[in-house]
Amino acid sequence: DSGVTQTPKHLITATGQRVTLRCSPRSGDLSVYWYQQSLDQGLQFLIQYYNGEERAKGNILERFSAQQFPDLHSELNLSSLELGDSALYFCASSPRVSGRASNDNEQFFGPGTRLTVL
Amino acid sequence: GIQVEQSPPDLILQEGANSTLRCNFSDSVNNLQWFHQNPWGQLINLFYIPSGTKQNGRLSATTVATERYSLLYISSSQTTDSGVYFCAGPSSGGSYIPTFGRGTSLIVHP
Repeated sequence: DSGVTQTPKHLITATGQRVTLRCSPRSGDLSVYWYQQSLDQGLQFLIQYYNGEERAKGNILERFSAQQFPDLHSELNLSSLELGDSALYFCASSPRVSGRASNDNEQFFGPGTRLTVL
Repeated sequence: GIQVEQSPPDLILQEGANSTLRCNFSDSVNNLQWFHQNPWGQLINLFYIPSGTKQNGRLSATTVATERYSLLYISSSQTTDSGVYFCAGPSSGGSYIPTFGRGTSLIVHP
Protein backbone atom coordinates (compact mmCIF):
# COMPACT_ATOMS: atom_id res chain seq x y z
CA ASP A 1 0.00 0.00 0.00
CA SER A 2 1.57 3.24 -1.20
CA GLY A 3 -0.58 5.46 1.02
CA VAL A 4 -2.14 7.18 -1.99
CA THR A 5 -5.87 6.54 -2.32
CA GLN A 6 -8.05 6.91 -5.38
CA THR A 7 -11.79 6.64 -5.84
CA PRO A 8 -13.66 5.14 -7.50
CA LYS A 9 -11.77 2.00 -8.54
CA HIS A 10 -13.96 1.44 -11.56
CA LEU A 11 -16.19 3.75 -13.53
CA ILE A 12 -18.38 2.91 -16.48
CA THR A 13 -20.13 5.72 -18.26
CA ALA A 14 -21.42 6.79 -21.66
CA THR A 15 -19.99 9.08 -24.31
CA GLY A 16 -20.71 12.75 -23.70
CA GLN A 17 -20.88 12.37 -19.94
CA ARG A 18 -18.75 14.00 -17.25
CA VAL A 19 -16.96 12.23 -14.39
CA THR A 20 -14.82 13.21 -11.43
CA LEU A 21 -11.91 11.15 -10.16
CA ARG A 22 -10.60 11.72 -6.67
CA CYS A 23 -7.15 11.33 -5.17
CA SER A 24 -5.79 11.68 -1.64
CA PRO A 25 -1.99 11.92 -1.46
CA ARG A 26 0.23 10.27 1.13
CA SER A 27 0.22 12.01 4.46
CA GLY A 28 2.62 14.94 4.29
CA ASP A 29 3.03 14.95 0.52
CA LEU A 30 2.42 18.33 -1.07
CA SER A 31 2.61 17.44 -4.73
CA VAL A 32 0.03 15.51 -6.73
CA TYR A 33 0.36 14.23 -10.29
CA TRP A 34 -2.21 12.75 -12.65
CA TYR A 35 -1.36 10.21 -15.34
CA GLN A 36 -3.33 8.39 -18.01
CA GLN A 37 -2.42 4.87 -19.07
CA SER A 38 -3.92 3.54 -22.27
CA LEU A 39 -2.86 0.54 -24.32
CA ASP A 40 -1.59 2.53 -27.29
CA GLN A 41 -0.10 5.55 -25.51
CA GLY A 42 1.48 4.02 -22.43
CA LEU A 43 1.77 6.13 -19.27
CA GLN A 44 1.25 9.80 -20.04
CA PHE A 45 1.64 12.68 -17.61
CA LEU A 46 -1.42 14.93 -17.49
CA ILE A 47 -0.95 17.59 -14.82
CA GLN A 48 0.81 18.38 -11.55
CA TYR A 49 -0.24 20.38 -8.52
CA TYR A 50 1.93 21.58 -5.69
CA ASN A 51 0.39 22.82 -2.45
CA GLY A 52 -2.80 23.86 -4.20
CA GLU A 53 -1.31 25.45 -7.28
CA GLU A 54 -0.90 24.10 -10.77
CA ARG A 55 2.79 23.44 -11.34
CA ALA A 56 3.13 21.69 -14.68
CA LYS A 57 0.95 20.57 -17.55
CA GLY A 58 1.47 17.65 -19.84
CA ASN A 59 -0.70 16.10 -22.50
CA ILE A 60 -3.98 17.10 -20.91
CA LEU A 61 -6.96 17.71 -23.15
CA GLU A 62 -9.00 20.89 -22.84
CA ARG A 63 -11.99 18.71 -21.90
CA PHE A 64 -10.08 17.66 -18.78
CA SER A 65 -9.40 19.81 -15.75
CA ALA A 66 -8.06 19.29 -12.27
CA GLN A 67 -7.60 21.04 -8.97
CA GLN A 68 -5.96 20.51 -5.61
CA PHE A 69 -7.88 21.53 -2.55
CA PRO A 70 -6.62 23.09 0.72
CA ASP A 71 -6.60 19.64 2.37
CA LEU A 72 -4.31 18.58 -0.52
CA HIS A 73 -6.67 16.06 -2.07
CA SER A 74 -7.09 16.44 -5.80
CA GLU A 75 -9.83 15.87 -8.34
CA LEU A 76 -9.58 15.23 -12.05
CA ASN A 77 -12.64 16.20 -14.05
CA LEU A 78 -13.23 14.60 -17.44
CA SER A 79 -16.03 16.00 -19.56
CA SER A 80 -17.63 15.33 -22.95
CA LEU A 81 -16.21 11.85 -22.69
CA GLU A 82 -15.23 9.96 -25.81
CA LEU A 83 -14.55 6.28 -26.37
CA GLY A 84 -10.83 7.03 -26.57
CA ASP A 85 -10.83 8.35 -23.01
CA SER A 86 -11.21 4.82 -21.72
CA ALA A 87 -8.03 4.19 -19.74
CA LEU A 88 -6.49 3.72 -16.34
CA TYR A 89 -6.07 7.04 -14.55
CA PHE A 90 -3.40 7.18 -11.90
CA CYS A 91 -2.69 9.71 -9.26
CA ALA A 92 0.76 9.95 -7.69
CA SER A 93 2.16 12.06 -4.90
CA SER A 94 5.59 13.17 -3.79
CA PRO A 95 6.78 15.06 -0.72
CA ARG A 96 7.89 18.21 -2.52
CA VAL A 97 9.30 19.36 -5.79
CA SER A 98 12.96 19.76 -6.46
CA GLY A 99 14.79 20.51 -9.68
CA ARG A 100 17.74 18.40 -8.59
CA ALA A 101 18.00 14.75 -7.64
CA SER A 102 16.26 14.41 -4.30
CA ASN A 103 14.10 11.91 -2.46
CA ASP A 104 11.55 14.73 -2.30
CA ASN A 105 10.83 13.92 -5.94
CA GLU A 106 10.11 10.22 -5.47
CA GLN A 107 6.58 9.54 -6.67
CA PHE A 108 4.20 7.00 -5.16
CA PHE A 109 1.21 5.85 -7.17
CA GLY A 110 -2.34 5.16 -6.14
CA PRO A 111 -4.23 2.04 -7.26
CA GLY A 112 -5.78 3.85 -10.22
CA THR A 113 -9.29 4.38 -11.53
CA ARG A 114 -10.28 2.27 -14.51
CA LEU A 115 -12.58 4.34 -16.72
CA THR A 116 -14.66 2.67 -19.39
CA VAL A 117 -16.59 4.88 -21.81
CA LEU A 118 -19.30 3.05 -23.75
CA GLY B 1 11.67 15.75 -25.07
CA ILE B 2 13.57 13.01 -23.35
CA GLN B 3 13.45 9.58 -24.96
CA VAL B 4 13.35 6.52 -22.72
CA GLU B 5 14.02 3.12 -24.25
CA GLN B 6 13.54 -0.11 -22.37
CA SER B 7 14.85 -3.51 -23.33
CA PRO B 8 13.93 -6.20 -23.80
CA PRO B 9 10.24 -5.47 -24.50
CA ASP B 10 9.27 -9.00 -23.48
CA LEU B 11 10.89 -11.59 -21.29
CA ILE B 12 9.85 -15.12 -20.37
CA LEU B 13 11.67 -16.88 -17.55
CA GLN B 14 11.53 -20.10 -15.64
CA GLU B 15 11.19 -19.68 -11.91
CA GLY B 16 14.61 -19.34 -10.30
CA ALA B 17 16.28 -17.67 -13.27
CA ASN B 18 18.05 -14.31 -13.15
CA SER B 19 17.46 -11.41 -15.50
CA THR B 20 18.64 -7.91 -16.32
CA LEU B 21 16.38 -5.17 -17.62
CA ARG B 22 17.82 -2.06 -19.19
CA CYS B 23 16.71 1.52 -19.56
CA ASN B 24 18.48 3.98 -21.90
CA PHE B 25 17.96 7.72 -21.92
CA SER B 26 18.55 10.28 -24.62
CA ASP B 27 19.73 12.93 -22.19
CA SER B 28 21.43 13.25 -18.84
CA VAL B 29 19.92 11.29 -15.97
CA ASN B 30 18.72 12.56 -12.64
CA ASN B 31 15.63 11.51 -10.70
CA LEU B 32 15.10 8.01 -12.02
CA GLN B 33 12.58 5.50 -10.74
CA TRP B 34 11.82 1.83 -11.43
CA PHE B 35 8.28 0.53 -11.03
CA HIS B 36 6.57 -2.84 -11.23
CA GLN B 37 3.03 -2.95 -12.55
CA ASN B 38 1.45 -6.16 -11.35
CA PRO B 39 -1.21 -8.08 -13.29
CA TRP B 40 -3.90 -6.20 -11.36
CA GLY B 41 -2.61 -2.88 -12.67
CA GLN B 42 -1.00 -1.56 -9.50
CA LEU B 43 2.18 0.47 -9.94
CA ILE B 44 4.61 -0.40 -7.20
CA ASN B 45 7.76 1.58 -6.44
CA LEU B 46 10.88 -0.49 -6.68
CA PHE B 47 13.70 2.06 -6.61
CA TYR B 48 14.34 5.75 -6.70
CA ILE B 49 17.89 5.73 -8.02
CA PRO B 50 19.32 8.86 -9.67
CA SER B 51 22.81 7.33 -9.47
CA GLY B 52 24.73 4.45 -7.93
CA THR B 53 23.45 1.06 -6.85
CA LYS B 54 20.66 0.01 -4.51
CA GLN B 55 19.50 -3.40 -3.39
CA ASN B 56 16.21 -4.60 -1.99
CA GLY B 57 16.02 -8.33 -1.44
CA ARG B 58 16.25 -10.17 -4.74
CA LEU B 59 16.12 -6.93 -6.71
CA SER B 60 18.88 -4.44 -7.29
CA ALA B 61 19.33 -1.45 -9.56
CA THR B 62 22.25 0.50 -10.91
CA THR B 63 22.18 3.88 -12.61
CA VAL B 64 25.20 5.17 -14.51
CA ALA B 65 24.18 8.76 -14.96
CA THR B 66 27.18 9.78 -17.09
CA GLU B 67 26.38 7.03 -19.61
CA ARG B 68 22.62 7.62 -19.49
CA TYR B 69 21.38 4.17 -18.54
CA SER B 70 19.98 2.20 -15.67
CA LEU B 71 19.78 -1.55 -15.04
CA LEU B 72 17.35 -3.56 -12.94
CA TYR B 73 18.51 -6.99 -11.80
CA ILE B 74 16.07 -9.66 -10.73
CA SER B 75 17.61 -12.71 -9.15
CA SER B 76 15.96 -16.06 -8.38
CA SER B 77 12.78 -14.93 -10.10
CA GLN B 78 9.41 -15.96 -8.73
CA THR B 79 5.99 -16.14 -10.37
CA THR B 80 4.98 -13.09 -8.36
CA ASP B 81 7.61 -11.08 -10.27
CA SER B 82 5.43 -11.31 -13.39
CA GLY B 83 4.10 -8.04 -14.72
CA VAL B 84 5.47 -5.01 -16.50
CA TYR B 85 8.57 -3.18 -15.34
CA PHE B 86 8.81 0.53 -16.10
CA CYS B 87 11.63 2.94 -15.74
CA ALA B 88 10.72 6.59 -15.47
CA GLY B 89 13.31 9.02 -16.61
CA PRO B 90 14.21 12.58 -15.88
CA SER B 91 12.79 15.72 -17.29
CA SER B 92 14.36 19.10 -17.73
CA GLY B 93 13.24 22.20 -15.91
CA GLY B 94 12.56 22.80 -12.25
CA SER B 95 10.14 19.95 -11.65
CA TYR B 96 10.47 16.19 -11.84
CA ILE B 97 7.89 15.08 -14.36
CA PRO B 98 8.98 11.60 -15.33
CA THR B 99 8.85 10.26 -18.82
CA PHE B 100 8.02 6.57 -18.81
CA GLY B 101 9.47 3.94 -21.06
CA ARG B 102 7.17 1.46 -22.81
CA GLY B 103 8.06 -1.18 -20.25
CA THR B 104 9.41 -4.73 -20.15
CA SER B 105 6.71 -7.37 -19.89
CA LEU B 106 7.95 -10.23 -17.72
CA ILE B 107 6.33 -13.64 -17.39
CA VAL B 108 7.79 -16.08 -14.89
CA HIS B 109 6.65 -19.68 -15.30
CA PRO B 110 6.59 -22.09 -12.36
